[in-house]
Amino acid sequence: QKEVEQNSGPLSVPEGAIASLNCTYSDRGSQSFFWYRQYSGKSPELIMSIYSNGDKEDGRFTAQLNKASQYVSLLIRDSQPSDSATYLCAVNEKLTFGTGTRLTIIP
Amino acid sequence: NAGVTQTPKFQVLKTGQSMTLQCAQDMNHNSMYWYRQDPGMGLRLIYYSASEGTTDKGEVPNGYNVSRLNKREFSLRLESAAPSQTSVYFCASSGFSVSNQPQHFGDGTRLSIL
Repeated sequence: QKEVEQNSGPLSVPEGAIASLNCTYSDRGSQSFFWYRQYSGKSPELIMSIYSNGDKEDGRFTAQLNKASQYVSLLIRDSQPSDSATYLCAVNEKLTFGTGTRLTIIP
Repeated sequence: NAGVTQTPKFQVLKTGQSMTLQCAQDMNHNSMYWYRQDPGMGLRLIYYSASEGTTDKGEVPNGYNVSRLNKREFSLRLESAAPSQTSVYFCASSGFSVSNQPQHFGDGTRLSIL
């Protein structure tokens, strides 16, 4: 079992809809979780961090963490074509990234 | 404010050649990291340095060496390049703790080994 798992996609979502990205992790003791966005040919950039169970909202982005079920998710509301990218989930204790989910927003 | 700067941006090597990838950060961060990114494999940690004077192996350290020259600079050396080391290499840095700070990435070095 991989330490951090993501559905590789591609995930296609109509413009204006909600995009839902999921990530599971294997180490129950993990404490820090991050979502990065990576455009093709570019470096990853941080979009959300979450440390406690529950939801954390920042603009159109909401990160959700459930430590009991060992999953973290990212919701993107009112999806825009500029959101088309690969989204990487990272669990920092292990400095481990998932392989990423490729998201395409369809105009 | 440049953030994390990597040089060179592109490099082509022949098998057996050596080279050093340079990384510098101007954010006064304690921790620095080297990753490689291959298609379908995500980001894999090669080495990291939690603080000046310390380095530790990551998931894929074989064939690489690192030097934390000072707080700002962390270099990655390939002593004898192999085609399997063809990849995109990213350097990153983070604040005061390895475990709970987000990482800031450089633009990457695209390395091809022929």
